[in-house]
Amino acid sequence: EDQVTQSPEALRLQEGESSSLNCSYTVSGLRGLFWYRQDPGKGPEFLFTLYSAGEEKEKERLKATLTKKESFLHITAPKPEDSATYLCAVRENRGTSYGKLTFGQGTILTVHP
Amino acid sequence: DTAVSQTPKYLVTQMGNDKSIKCEQNLGHDTMYWYKQDSKKFLKIMFSYNNKELIINETVPNRFSPKSPDKAHLNLHINSLELGDSAVYFCASSQGELRSGTQYFGPGTRLTVL
Repeated sequence: EDQVTQSPEALRLQEGESSSLNCSYTVSGLRGLFWYRQDPGKGPEFLFTLYSAGEEKEKERLKATLTKKESFLHITAPKPEDSATYLCAVRENRGTSYGKLTFGQGTILTVHP
Repeated sequence: DTAVSQTPKYLVTQMGNDKSIKCEQNLGHDTMYWYKQDSKKFLKIMFSYNNKELIINETVPNRFSPKSPDKAHLNLHINSLELGDSAVYFCASSQGELRSGTQYFGPGTRLTVL
C-alpha cells in the first residue's frame, strides 16, 4: 500500500528564514506527486505536480523538487502569509485507480513576523 | 467564481439521523471525489465517480451512499449517523486520470454528530 510521510509535523520560522519541508513516499510506480496548501477552515489549494525524479517547479517563494524516494518543498524568505498546512500526496501508477491520491499527514508551517 | 462548492458548510446533528451533503463543480471535469479529513488532519479518499460511474469505493461503511445525478454533481448521503462520523468532508474534482489529474477541492463540510 502507498505510504506518504511528511516531516516535520510542525515548523516555526521567523520571517525571512528559509527552510524545507520533506515528503517521503513509497509507491510501486509514481504517477504524480502533488503539493497542496491548506488554510484553517478551507479546502486544500493546489500548488504543484511533479512527475519524475529531477523535476523542479517554482511559484513565488516556493520551490518543489522530486527524487525517487522523496520530495522537498523549499520556502525561501517566507512571509507570515505563507503560514498554512502543507500537504503532500502521491498517485500510484495503477491502471484503474482513477486519480486516487494518498495524502501525508501534513506539515503545519507558522511564520512569525 | 466558485469552482467546487459544497453545502452546507457546517452540519450539526444527533446520532442516528440521516443527512446529505451536496457538491457541485463548474470546471467541466468528468471525475469527482469525496474525502474525509479526521481530527488528525489526515485526508483519506472515500469515493470517486467518473462520468457518473462509481470508480473507487474505499472500504467505507454502507451507511455512506454517494449519488451522482450528472457529471457536475456528487452528493453524499449518510444514514444512521454515528459519533465517529464527525469529521470534515471534502469534495474534489479533476479532469480524468490520464491528463494532469490535478484535483481541485471544495471548501469542506464540517459534520458534528452529537
